[in-house]
Amino acid sequence: GNSVTQMEGPVTLSEEAFLTINCTYTATGYPSLFWYVQYPGEGLQLLLKATKADDKGSNKGFEATYRKETTSFHLEKGSVQVSDSAVYFCALRLGGGGSNYKLTFGKGTLLTVNP
Amino acid sequence: DTEVTQTPKHLVMGMTNKKSLKCEQHMGHRAMYWYKQKAKKPPELMFVYSYEKLSINESVPSRFSPECPNSSLLNLHLHALQPEDSALYLCASSQYGETILGEYTFGSGTRLTVV
Repeated sequence: GNSVTQMEGPVTLSEEAFLTINCTYTATGYPSLFWYVQYPGEGLQLLLKATKADDKGSNKGFEATYRKETTSFHLEKGSVQVSDSAVYFCALRLGGGGSNYKLTFGKGTLLTVNP
Repeated sequence: DTEVTQTPKHLVMGMTNKKSLKCEQHMGHRAMYWYKQKAKKPPELMFVYSYEKLSINESVPSRFSPECPNSSLLNLHLHALQPEDSALYLCASSQYGETILGEYTFGSGTRLTVV
């Protein structure tokens, strides 16, 4: 089946530190990959996505590259801010019918950034 | 309008009550979804509507009853819930039917407490 494994954290960093949240996946086929962010008390927001191998998604200083050879989609940011404190979910989605269409989420990583 | 709007934001209900959650989008999206999210867990898919027809029910108990009156509106009717049904209920939509890789847009959710 399809699955996403991400580092569970929690991750605690100081402001301006470098962030990496690891994400690897298992999928039957060629998935699209996503990072969603959930701020406290809110729903999920799409942070970035990549739809094919070697694509790099980027948004708000965050980046992730779709690595087919290592089945990975690690999230990085060069300098985190207090406002980046949130839960980050890695997810995949396949095309086609049946249960492949749905988003498969990792367990989420809580990031806390201290001033 | 690029939002999915959910009402109410908070709901407290007794186990014998009947209540409804509402979700609305005006982006022309033809697939709409209900997810349930427990604390510190990823969202879990409940239902999918594609072109206003129920296409997927992820074995959800019958005390949850979805309804899609038109392409912009999705309801979740609640009856005889249990305390363990307390969770954040998220609505989402995507541009195409669920078999095509459109992005998901999530609402902010309804935080439900069953007492």
